[in-house]
Amino acid sequence: DVKVTQSSRYLVKRTGEKVFLECVQDMDHENMFWYRQDPGLGLRLIYFSYDVKMKEKGDIPEGYSVSREKKERFSLILESASTNQTSMYLCASSLRGTTYEQYFGPGTRLTVT
Amino acid sequence: AQKITQTQPGMFVQEKEAVTLDCTYDTSDQSYGLFWYKQPSSGEMIFLIYQGSYDEQNATEGRYSLNFQKARKSANLVISASQLGDSAMYFCAMREDYSGYSTLTFGKGTMLLVSP
Repeated sequence: DVKVTQSSRYLVKRTGEKVFLECVQDMDHENMFWYRQDPGLGLRLIYFSYDVKMKEKGDIPEGYSVSREKKERFSLILESASTNQTSMYLCASSLRGTTYEQYFGPGTRLTVT
Repeated sequence: AQKITQTQPGMFVQEKEAVTLDCTYDTSDQSYGLFWYKQPSSGEMIFLIYQGSYDEQNATEGRYSLNFQKARKSANLVISASQLGDSAMYFCAMREDYSGYSTLTFGKGTMLLVSP
């Protein structure tokens, strides 16, 4: 089975802190994605990567950056956390190709105080 | 404009009844795909079913079927014989294809509650 893991289920950070959210997949997937999920807004794509060291902005990249140094690991970075970044963050991965579904991690609920 | 519209914020159904969750989409592409995901209260996203734009038959996976009406741009999820464990948030998503990669755009979701 595909396994996507995220470093924390729950995280509490202070405004202005630098925050790292880590995602690891074990199925050699080329594509990896970061979403945030907010009530009433569904999932919105922050960044994605289709290869090592490659990254593309999604719909809401402002305030975030990403890093993909190894194929299995995709990190989301909040350079200076703000309260409006309090959200559920979901990581996903998929094989290259256009028909493959995305497999999701369990999510990280981040609270910025 | 929204690319994926789920007009039902919440749906209630009794156990063993069938339920339809609505999804309409907006695209000018000829090649695209539609997915449904389930998110229980535990938070994980579970893939349910996929329909490609060129697939002539409606997709089915066990109790799940996708009622695909291309001309109307709708991709409704039908759950037959609902079970208590079907209570969850359901998301419709559309795959958009680019050169070398594709992304998913999600709707806002429908919360389904199944009562005994």
